[in-house]
Amino acid sequence: GQQVMQIPQYQHVQEGEDFTTYCNSSTTLSNIQWYKQRPGGHPVFLIQLVKSGEVKKQKRLTFQFGEAKKNSSLHITATQTTDVGTYFCAGPSGTYKYIFGTGTRLKVLA
Amino acid sequence: GAVVSQHPSRVICKSGTSVKIECRSLDFQATTMFWYRQFPKQSLMLMATSNEGSKATYEQGVEKDKFLINHASLTLSTLTVTSAHPEDSSFYICSAFGGLWGQETQYFGPGTRLLVL
Repeated sequence: GQQVMQIPQYQHVQEGEDFTTYCNSSTTLSNIQWYKQRPGGHPVFLIQLVKSGEVKKQKRLTFQFGEAKKNSSLHITATQTTDVGTYFCAGPSGTYKYIFGTGTRLKVLA
Repeated sequence: GAVVSQHPSRVICKSGTSVKIECRSLDFQATTMFWYRQFPKQSLMLMATSNEGSKATYEQGVEKDKFLINHASLTLSTLTVTSAHPEDSSFYICSAFGGLWGQETQYFGPGTRLLVL
């Protein structure tokens, strides 16, 4: 069945360093979503990418959708302690239904 | 933004009992809600799709008789874990699909932590 993998599984960075997580789908996606889950919290929607090669920015976060629409990335510039959490990508798998990636847990060391 | 609530936020129960978890969309109507399960340090696993006025659609490997889902109104879906056992202990999260036209997405509830003793 459809699989959505993310690498790395864990990432520890010093505050101020950059961070990137990569998302790879076994199937072509019509769109991809990104979520952030703080420790002990629930997933919060960050963004949705739809077009091939699309790049969107939210302050220090840059999201990219691959040309083949099978992969995506999230890049955080100059991480802050508030960026701590797990970042999930999610791809559609039916009407309104999304399959979540394996997630990348980010820890930022002050 | 859209708000989804879950109740209870935390529950401890004895093995063999049933537990009901409510998921409500507070400021929008949701014909479709989803139930997820998340074990510590793992991803969200979709359990089922809850459809208002019809039967839920369960993912492969999820026992429909154990995880009863009812979506009786456009703002409420319930998940009942029947005859709970320790291995059912997990973080259960619901989401409701909605939002502004053309910008619909999933809005997640705060989750329910279930501990079965």
